Amino acid sequence: ETGVTQTPRHLVMGMTNKKSLKCEQHLGHNAMYWYKQSAKKPLELMFVYNFKEQTENNSVPSRFSPECPNSSHLFLHLHTLQPEDSALYLCASSQDKGINTGELFFGEGSRLTVL
Amino acid sequence: AQTVTQSQPEMSVQEAETVTLSCTYDTSESDYYLFWYKQPPSRQMILVIRQEAYKQQNATENRFSVNFQKAAKSFSLKISDSQLGDAAMYFCAYIRGGSQGNLIFGKGTKLSVKP
Repeated sequence: ETGVTQTPRHLVMGMTNKKSLKCEQHLGHNAMYWYKQSAKKPLELMFVYNFKEQTENNSVPSRFSPECPNSSHLFLHLHTLQPEDSALYLCASSQDKGINTGELFFGEGSRLTVL
Repeated sequence: AQTVTQSQPEMSVQEAETVTLSCTYDTSESDYYLFWYKQPPSRQMILVIRQEAYKQQNATENRFSVNFQKAAKSFSLKISDSQLGDAAMYFCAYIRGGSQGNLIFGKGTKLSVKP
């Protein structure tokens, strides 16, 4: 496998469910990201991990809980979500070179629908 | 706060012709990078072209080139000899130099290519 892989591609959940999104990168990168893509809105950065350490939390509600066990894997744990959380969740990775130049490699996304 | 504006929600071009997508941004920083990302219907976002703010020369990548007007804070993308595979959402993005992964995206322009 190559690139950035996200599973599941589609997820439907109720507001009381607990589910997780998974991201795996095979590029040897050491930085990973979660972005939220909602209809008619710009992509929003949610979390950044660098060498497994969270370096940025962009004021994301606590019902979204990220986990980065190693530089290749990133999870987004979801619980008690709201319908407005329905969106495409994109994972990305990059090679940290000290000064990040913004060249990210994205997965295909997980389409989340909250009922 | 930095912002990125794409004023064209949708554009259309005839196959083999040239199209220009507009992007303006607002920043008080002197060290930054600008990008155009492409998101085809398969949803995987890929980098099309990158421009360093300190470089006066416009970036080019095969059929893709940019017109970077730093004083005007304008960063347009020109696609020459358009192909059917160019049909996608195009996102303009900005990152402050040294800012890890915090790309600021525009809302996107949907490009259709007519055969």
